[in-house]
Amino acid sequence: GENVEQHPSTLSVQEGDSAVIKCTYSDSASNYFPWYKQELGKRPQLIIDIRSNVGEKKDQRIAVTLNKTAKHFSLHITETQPEDSAVYFCAASKGGGFKTIFGAGTRLFVKA
Amino acid sequence: DGGITQSPKYLFRKEGQNVTLSCEQNLNHDAMYWYRQDPGQGLRLIYYSQIVNDFQKGDIAEGYSVSREKKESFPLTVTSAQKNPTAFYLCASSASTGYGYTFGSGTRLTVV
Repeated sequence: GENVEQHPSTLSVQEGDSAVIKCTYSDSASNYFPWYKQELGKRPQLIIDIRSNVGEKKDQRIAVTLNKTAKHFSLHITETQPEDSAVYFCAASKGGGFKTIFGAGTRLFVKA
Repeated sequence: DGGITQSPKYLFRKEGQNVTLSCEQNLNHDAMYWYRQDPGQGLRLIYYSQIVNDFQKGDIAEGYSVSREKKESFPLTVTSAQKNPTAFYLCASSASTGYGYTFGSGTRLTVV
């Protein structure tokens, strides 16, 4: 069935370093790829998204890249800060369809 | 915490009991969703609704029921048929089905 795999499950970086989280999806019809950040005890919040007609999107320290051929997309966080510590979820959907499939999440620790 | 409100924050269920989780949004969103979050498993779709008086099963609908009598409200009932209901339940809404979600703050359900 449809699936989104996310790696790594845990990531620890030093403050100021970059962090990269990778996801692959199985449904080639997927065309919308959001990323959510969930801080401890709080709700997930949309931080960036990308549609299949775009290969890369950037918003300040956060960027997402998409490789449709490989069915692979990644989140890049530069100049990490302690407040970036959270669980990050990738997701894929057909956008306009009904199902958003989530990855299992990556717990990011940024050490000061 | 404006936009989408879930209540209660914590809920305890006895064996054989049905409980209802509330989800209300004032974002004028057409689509609403219920997800279940278990550690290490990401978010799994229980039910979703694209319009009033219509809803569809997600991947793990067994033991759950919903209603959508008003655009603003999408309550979830966890029935006694759900054998392992202890989890964190998240309600979400979106302006267009499948695109960026706004999540509620969640309800943590525990069986006692």
